[in-house]
Amino acid sequence: DTAVSQTPKYLVTQMGNDKSIKCEQNLGHDTMYWYKQDSKKFLKIMFSYNNKELIINETVPNRFSPKSPDKAHLNLHINSLELGDSAVYFCASSQQGLAAFFGQGTRLTVV
Amino acid sequence: GNSVTQMEGPVTLSEEAFLTINCTYTATGYPSLFWYVQYPGEGLQLLLKATKADDKGSNKGFEATYRKETTSFHLEKGSVQVSDSAVYFCARGAGANNLFFGTGTRLTVIP
Repeated sequence: DTAVSQTPKYLVTQMGNDKSIKCEQNLGHDTMYWYKQDSKKFLKIMFSYNNKELIINETVPNRFSPKSPDKAHLNLHINSLELGDSAVYFCASSQQGLAAFFGQGTRLTVV
Repeated sequence: GNSVTQMEGPVTLSEEAFLTINCTYTATGYPSLFWYVQYPGEGLQLLLKATKADDKGSNKGFEATYRKETTSFHLEKGSVQVSDSAVYFCARGAGANNLFFGTGTRLTVIP
């Protein structure tokens, strides 16, 4: 019954690889987000989608490409992974400006 | 720029001490305001919220009052417990499709 679920929970990969993180919400929300949390716990928004349309695209390298096949899913694909991409990535969803529900996070480690 | 500013941590308190974590925001109008908590190894959870000026959000002994005069939403708790050790994030709504977060404040409560 998890409201926002993201997979995998942990991801260890080598530099230069391409990887994807999946996110699904079963709350019927219109808006989904990806956030990046660095080692100092700073939380920064990366993308926001509303009804499958990109709303916010912060200053993120174009190696990061979100894909929203439907409004319940927002996947994050990362090309040519770099050491600096190591972080915890959180997916979230919300409805009409109400509080966001977050997934458990995906800890990405690039070696 | 960053529209949510919260006090830098880390904050270390003894059990049963009084807690205040300051948060101020910049915005046009009156956005909804939130406090989120992240326990070790977990995702963010909504702790409390306030949607209009002078509202007080409260949950689990924590309180925060929406002060439009000072554009603040400080988090308080009268008597902290070891189990309150976590990272606390202040956030404000931005339109219907976004949340801006502060950088987070790590709280450690020692017995």
